Amino acid sequence: DAKTTQPTSMDCAEGRAANLPCNHSTISGNEYVYWYRQIHSQGPQYIIHGLKNNETNEMASLIITEDRKSSTLILPHATLRDTAVYYCIVRVPFGNEKLTFGTGTRLTIIP
Amino acid sequence: NAGVTQTPKFQVLKTGQSMTLQCAQDMNHNSMYWYRQDPGMGLRLIYYSASEGTTDKGEVPNGYNVSRLNKREFSLRLESAAPSQTSVYFCASWDIMRNQPQHFGDGTRLSIL
Repeated sequence: DAKTTQPTSMDCAEGRAANLPCNHSTISGNEYVYWYRQIHSQGPQYIIHGLKNNETNEMASLIITEDRKSSTLILPHATLRDTAVYYCIVRVPFGNEKLTFGTGTRLTIIP
Repeated sequence: NAGVTQTPKFQVLKTGQSMTLQCAQDMNHNSMYWYRQDPGMGLRLIYYSASEGTTDKGEVPNGYNVSRLNKREFSLRLESAAPSQTSVYFCASWDIMRNQPQHFGDGTRLSIL
């Protein structure tokens, strides 16, 4: 699975859009980008995933660059409950069973 | 509600004691995982089971054993607990053939004195 690079921490004002970047410059053609988050000490929670097209669900939007070497998770209207550590992971579906988590980005929503 | 259930939620052990952490999922997933998370750190894979009857080492397997009892249950055993194993342990399950996300339990907080 490709390695990812994320900023260690970010702040965002409540009500604004939070944009979390992820670099995955060694991603291969069949690897998907997944985003999870971990609120306080709870178990990680799935947010969204995509291959090359932009994706949106009720939680967030995922923007993947055309060369697929980076992506951005967008939380459109951040709330205090979005304060969490966000993990970007790339992997091949249906293949390697391991899911490797890095250290993620600690996002703090400021009132 | 469907999901991954871990027991116990909290446990304190003395060095050298043994313990088994239990995990069960009711989503009919083939793959199950055990992770540990130390304070301020990301998750590290201990062991995983791609299907019933198989287990494989992850990143940090030393000091642990696992048993995939059946499709639903995947247990993690500490034979002789050490203070370095103080951590939060997460179990997860996944149906990798459907490209669906991993589901995680709420964790077991284990302290070893």
